[in-house]
Amino acid sequence: DIQLTQSPSFLSASVGDRVTITCRASQGIGTYLAWYQHKPGEVPKLLIYAASTLQSGVPSRFSGSGSGAAFTLTISGLQPEDFATYYCQQLDSYPRTFGQGTKVEIK
Amino acid sequence: QVQLVESGGGLVKPGGSLRLSCAASGFTFNDHYMSWIRQAPGKGLEWLSYISNSDNSIYYADSVKGRFTISRDNAKNSLYLQMDSLRAEDTAVYYCARDGGRYSGRSYDYWGQGTLVTVSS
Repeated sequence: DIQLTQSPSFLSASVGDRVTITCRASQGIGTYLAWYQHKPGEVPKLLIYAASTLQSGVPSRFSGSGSGAAFTLTISGLQPEDFATYYCQQLDSYPRTFGQGTKVEIK
Repeated sequence: QVQLVESGGGLVKPGGSLRLSCAASGFTFNDHYMSWIRQAPGKGLEWLSYISNSDNSIYYADSVKGRFTISRDNAKNSLYLQMDSLRAEDTAVYYCARDGGRYSGRSYDYWGQGTLVTVSS
């Protein structure tokens, strides 16, 4: 099974900050990676797929990059509504594992 | 618009069974692969199971293999998860999710609101 490791697990940031979350795969997965945002009591929301393609309707301050085994999610100019937990997921093979999550909280 | 509505959650004793349903609308159900994902209290998202659009391909996470069974009824636009031999560690919110296909890199573009399963004596 492919393991995904996100770092950091917890991040404290201020509105307007640039935030970067890293996701590392235990083996190469090409660009078969997605990023989701999950807020308490809400449904997980797809942000980015194919490592760098922004899902329709997602603000352009979100961006993704990487290929192979190392990926990043960047939020350029953190907004109040961005405080949430972010997950990466590999879509290369089954089981379709998620990273352990990165919680972004207000500093 | 696309809607996924789960039902069937509730309180069940250890060793018991439960069947979750996910009613789909707003899209051509039999064009899409579907999956179940869960989130235990205080934990992250855990992928559980996948079924292809014609149910000739099915996968499970090791944590539920042999205990959970995924199925679908394309005529009823519905996805199911039969959960047997339930354990306390199966307590979680269970989500169904749509695989968006190759145009979304096979990511999950729509999720249901979730249904809570509590396994406790």
